[in-house]
Amino acid sequence: GAGVSQSPRYKVAKRGQDVALRCDPISGHVSLFWYQQALGQGPEFLTYFQNEAQLDKSGLPSDRFFAERPEGSVSTLKIQRTQQEDSAVYLCASSLVEQTNQPQHFGDGTRLSIL
Amino acid sequence: AQSVTQLGSHVSVSEGALVLLRCNYSSSVPPYLFWYVQYPNQGLQLLLKYTSAATLVKGINGFEAEFKKSETSFHLTKPSAHMSDAAEYFCAVSDEGGSEKLVFGKGTKLTVNP
Repeated sequence: GAGVSQSPRYKVAKRGQDVALRCDPISGHVSLFWYQQALGQGPEFLTYFQNEAQLDKSGLPSDRFFAERPEGSVSTLKIQRTQQEDSAVYLCASSLVEQTNQPQHFGDGTRLSIL
Repeated sequence: AQSVTQLGSHVSVSEGALVLLRCNYSSSVPPYLFWYVQYPNQGLQLLLKYTSAATLVKGINGFEAEFKKSETSFHLTKPSAHMSDAAEYFCAVSDEGGSEKLVFGKGTKLTVNP
């Protein structure tokens, strides 16, 4: 498709399990972002890639969160030893070039529920 | 650090009435500002963006926003609400440190009554 694709759309895991969330950006988009959206809140920045380089990971809440984009296209957000507070919608966005005025195009998100 | 305040977590209007959603930002430099809309169980869709070219910005679906530096505001308006406008709206500012990340407000849920 033409848009940002995220999978799975819904993920339920037990506390302590590891999860992996996938993002397929729009083809050719250089920049890729991950955001976390808690219920009733706005998205909060987690991490940013320019091609395969992770330039900003200041928003990752703990060392249990890890993101990669090894070939500069698909990205995976991994959460180890999940906790209940990790329950949220995880949004991926991509933009064409590395400029601050470029719009970010969002996927539909992965809704993660930790039991 | 940049921040965005959206006044009113819920706004309710009648179909055909004016829509006004408020956004104030904090920034020490001219910012880039965005409005996004989110429908249930979907991602965010860009409505419009301000990049200093013009203070009145027109977006999709009949929405527009006016940048007022003196008030540090970027309020979103639409002259006549439609039922399909019911959604959550987020104002966002680009981080002033040169990073591309967006800082979002907490959102305003718009309800349109028939």
